[in-house]
Amino acid sequence: KQEVTQIPAALSVPEGENLVLNCSFTDSAIYNLQWFRQDPGKGLTSLLLIQSSQREQTSGRLNASLDKSSGRSTLYIAASQPGDSATYLCAVIQGAQKLVFGQGTRLTINP
Amino acid sequence: EAGVVQSPRYKIIEKKQPVAFWCNPISGHNTLYWYLQNLGQGPELLIRYENEEAVDDSQLPKDRFSAERLKGVDSTLKIQPAELGDSAVYLCASSSRGTWNTGELFFGEGSRLTVL
Repeated sequence: KQEVTQIPAALSVPEGENLVLNCSFTDSAIYNLQWFRQDPGKGLTSLLLIQSSQREQTSGRLNASLDKSSGRSTLYIAASQPGDSATYLCAVIQGAQKLVFGQGTRLTINP
Repeated sequence: EAGVVQSPRYKIIEKKQPVAFWCNPISGHNTLYWYLQNLGQGPELLIRYENEEAVDDSQLPKDRFSAERLKGVDSTLKIQPAELGDSAVYLCASSSRGTWNTGELFFGEGSRLTVL
């Protein structure tokens, strides 16, 4: 059974710092991996989708990497801003479109 | 283009009462998902539809939960009777590809259920 773990569960950093969020998964037989952002009381917003054949994806200040063989993905946020404060979730997609989520990392950017 | 629309956004009911949630996916998305999200946890799949067909409902508690997607567009999720442990956020999502090499998932804002 696929298990997805995100570390740390919570992170607080000063504005302007670069930071890395981690996601690990136990079964490397995935089709792709997706990073989401969730603001309090809101649904999930897709940030980046990495296909299994890709190593990384970039969008603005965000860069996500994928290492299937080691079962790991990272989300790098450059020059963090208070507006980046949210919960970040990663999800792996396996066969038959089965999406398995991690529990999320709650990020706080302090002005 | 409108995103995934869910209603109601909030619902408070007493235990043993029925409740229903509605979802309208993004136009043209043939795959629709219902997820359950408990506080501080990631979403967990309840049911996935490909058009009108429920292709994965293995995690749906069928004794009290039911879902339908009659015309392959809108969907409803029903709980009857609700229990205290059903208090959670119910998320609907849709995607545009029906194959194993899936596209991105797009989520609605969720329906927050409180059972008293």
